[in-house]
Amino acid sequence: DGGITQSPKYLFRKEGQNVTLSCEQNLNHDAMYWYRQDPGQGLRLIYYSQIVNDFQKGDIAEGYSVSREKKESFPLTVTSAQKNPTAFYLCASKATGELFFGEGSRLTVL
Amino acid sequence: QQQVKQSPQSLIVQKGGISIINCAYENTAFDYFPWYQQFPGKGPALLIAIRPDVSEKKEGRFTISFNKSAKQFSLHIMDSQPGDSATYFCAVWTLQAGTALIFGKGTTLSVSS
Repeated sequence: DGGITQSPKYLFRKEGQNVTLSCEQNLNHDAMYWYRQDPGQGLRLIYYSQIVNDFQKGDIAEGYSVSREKKESFPLTVTSAQKNPTAFYLCASKATGELFFGEGSRLTVL
Repeated sequence: QQQVKQSPQSLIVQKGGISIINCAYENTAFDYFPWYQQFPGKGPALLIAIRPDVSEKKEGRFTISFNKSAKQFSLHIMDSQPGDSATYFCAVWTLQAGTALIFGKGTTLSVSS
């Protein structure tokens, strides 16, 4: 089945540790996105990539990093510089005018 | 920074009633206005979208109304059902930082039986 796969679904980390969230798509979409969701805050854009080897910062990029070495993959690293990393992270890819989302990864910092 | 203002924040409707959620925006890169539906623990999914060459689009019990001059669009859910209980997001495409979809803060709908 075509779609977006995010892993892991749940992740716990200690303060000061970096963690990488995986996002893979088999929809053959060029553009991919990372959003962060907090209760009552909607979805806020972290990073996005229109094409392989290129990406741009969104509204809340501080403390995050990404790479886009393959069309299918757009991993997000939450670094120790992110002051409040506990959140629900959503990856998406873009068809004409529409975003397709994965099931999300819930990160909890202990 | 592009703002997308969505209201109300939460909504409680009786089964069979009409649910109305509103969205206002400042600017848009593309004339395509979607509503997404999200169930707890899941990613959002496209519910319905409109291109403003029409003022209204209906799909089953869901209708989008669009007012281009006011920069507003709304979602109407007719004959609301308990299965419609979810969080709904409006979104607007922006060129502010490239091309990205900016979301409203969401409306949590509860339909009581």
